[in-house]
Amino acid sequence: GQNIDQPTEMTATEGAIVQINCTYQTSGFNGLFWYQQHAGEAPTFLSYNVLDGLEEKGRFSSFLSRSKGYSYLLLKELQMKDSASYLCAFMDSNYQLIWGAGTKLIIKP
Amino acid sequence: IAGITQAPTSQILAAGRRMTLRCTQDMRHNAMYWYRQDLGLGLRLIHYSNTAGTTGKGEVPDGYSVSRANTDDFPLTLASAVPSQTSVYFCASSENDGGNEQFFGPGTRLTVL
Repeated sequence: GQNIDQPTEMTATEGAIVQINCTYQTSGFNGLFWYQQHAGEAPTFLSYNVLDGLEEKGRFSSFLSRSKGYSYLLLKELQMKDSASYLCAFMDSNYQLIWGAGTKLIIKP
Repeated sequence: IAGITQAPTSQILAAGRRMTLRCTQDMRHNAMYWYRQDLGLGLRLIHYSNTAGTTGKGEVPDGYSVSRANTDDFPLTLASAVPSQTSVYFCASSENDGGNEQFFGPGTRLTVL
């Protein structure tokens, strides 16, 4: 079967670093996506990993280990505007996205 | 450039009524998708279309139908709404059905009473 898991909620301090983990199980894999979703808004694309390793994009980085079925999103120099839900999703063998329930990130001053 | 738009923004509907949610994109994307998002659950795919003229069923298609008469429009119809269809509905599009990012519309909040 297929499943994907990420923590429900995390809290971090403004200016700090936070790592949001995502684990998945699937027989067919075509990449791992991270999206950001502010409350009441649509998800917006953050990153896509298809090969193992770290992809860095400004304050945000995403890591993938296909052998471990594991990814993380690293957010540096946290800002209050980073308070949002972060959605992890893998693309299965049919090129459909299977989504985690999202991690709500709360940033405190 | 509008990107992807949805209508209505929100709707309250009596059970048993028919409802069509509209979705239009101006990016000339081949693939389009309908998801529902419920509290505590991940986005779940209802129906998708890889190109104009074709549609497919996602994870939760029962009670919903779609059509893709042209590249830009991908309406979702609830033939006879039930309370369990209360949800936030997102339309999305991507250039193709491969490993491309999906762009999301603003969503429609639907309440079925």
